Amino acid sequence: NAGVMQNPRHLVRRRGQEARLRCSPMKGHSHVYWYRQLPEEGLKFMVYLQKENIIDESGMPKERFSAEFPKEGPSILRIQQVVRGDSAAYFCASSPRQIGTGTENTEAFFGQGTRLTVV
Amino acid sequence: SQKIEQNSEALNIQEGKTATLTCNYTNYSPAYLQWYRQDPGRGPVFLLLIRENEKEKRKERLKVTFDTTLKQSLFHITASQPADSATYLCALQYGGATNKLIFGTGTLLAVQP
Repeated sequence: NAGVMQNPRHLVRRRGQEARLRCSPMKGHSHVYWYRQLPEEGLKFMVYLQKENIIDESGMPKERFSAEFPKEGPSILRIQQVVRGDSAAYFCASSPRQIGTGTENTEAFFGQGTRLTVV
Repeated sequence: SQKIEQNSEALNIQEGKTATLTCNYTNYSPAYLQWYRQDPGRGPVFLLLIRENEKEKRKERLKVTFDTTLKQSLFHITASQPADSATYLCALQYGGATNKLIFGTGTLLAVQP
């Protein structure tokens, strides 16, 4: 069972371009979380999705950022018109049900991240 | 808003000793508290989870305590090894609609041989 797969691992974009980050959750997982990690900072929650639904996007900037998790295919985090401040590591996590629920207290399984550099 | 504090300074210890990492939070206590390990260039890996009504949880050489009065969790690694060197993150969950994890900034542990 492959783990959470993120691609690309490294992405370089010029200011003003679009960045598309992909996340394929573990098999059987229908819950996806996206986090951003800036240098010397902790992981910041961005958005929580279930198949075809955005459950919580309270951590997502109101402009330029969007996320989706279609019925078929990976979850996509899309950043339009990137700026230098968007440079960071973006991590995706998946779980078979909502994190912390159930008798076994589900944890999150993280991918290796996509390192976005805006030049 | 909730604030989570972990030792910002790196923790250097000798192999074989017990490493103790601290996670302090403000405001109200979370329903769950989790600890993750993160190696450079990699994603976090889950280690342990403790509920608000639990005082202590153990797994092999790892032990987590949770004191809701002090608003603090301690993470212990006994008989530490150089392979334990990594950044350790604590993460809080408050339940609600999303039960999302709120992470601290992490503490870098370096175990010297």
